[in-house]
Amino acid sequence: ELKVEQNPLFLSMQEGKNYTIYCNYSTTSDRLYWYRQDPGKSLESLFVLLSNGAVKQEGRLMASLDTKARLSTLHITAAVHDLSATYFCAVDINSGYALNFGKGTSLLVTP
Amino acid sequence: GAGVSQSPSNKVTEKGKDVELRCDPISGHTALYWYRQSLGQGLEFLIYFQGNSAPDKSGLPSDRFSAERTGGSVSTLTIQRTQQEDSAVYLCASSLVRAATTDTQYFGPGTRLTVL
Repeated sequence: ELKVEQNPLFLSMQEGKNYTIYCNYSTTSDRLYWYRQDPGKSLESLFVLLSNGAVKQEGRLMASLDTKARLSTLHITAAVHDLSATYFCAVDINSGYALNFGKGTSLLVTP
Repeated sequence: GAGVSQSPSNKVTEKGKDVELRCDPISGHTALYWYRQSLGQGLEFLIYFQGNSAPDKSGLPSDRFSAERTGGSVSTLTIQRTQQEDSAVYLCASSLVRAATTDTQYFGPGTRLTVL
C-alpha cells in the first residue's frame, strides 16, 4: 500500500524566515505533484516534478525530487503572509491517473 | 469554460436520500477524476474516466456510489442511500490527456456534502 507522508503537518513561521516541507512516499514513482489549498477553496497546482533530481521554482517556493530517496521537498524562502495555506504533495504510482495525497501541511505565516 | 466547475457547491441531505453531484471539466480535457476530501481520511481517489469509460472504479467506497460521464464531458457522481460517513467535500479534476508525462490535474471548487 502506497503511503505518502508529509511533515510537518502544521507550521507557523514568521515572515522573512525560510523553511522546508518534506514529502516521503513508500513506493517507486517518478511523478510527484505539489498543490496549494486556501481555506474553503480548491486545489491549485504548484509544481509537477517528473524525474530524479528535478527542481522547479516559482517565486518564493522551490520544489525538488529525489526518486531514489523517495523524497520531495518544498522550500519556502523569505516567507510572506500570502503563502499561508495548506500544501499537499501527491504521488502518481504509474497508474497515469490516481493521485495519492499526503495529509497536507498547514502553513501560517505571521508578521 | 475557464476551469472545472462543479454543482451544487453545497448540498445538505437527510440520511437515506440519494444525491447527484455534477462536474463540468475544462473543455477539451479527455480525462476526468473524482476525489473525496474529509477530515478523517484526507484526499482519496474515487474514480477516473478516460472519455466516457471508467477503467478504474476501485476507489469507490461502496456499491452505493456510482458515476457516469456522457459525451466525453459532463460527469455525475451519484450516492444512493446516503450515510453520515459520506459527508465530505467531493472534488472533480480534469486533465488534457491521461498519463502524459507533463499532465496536470486541474481541480474544481468542490461540492460540500453534509448528510444529517
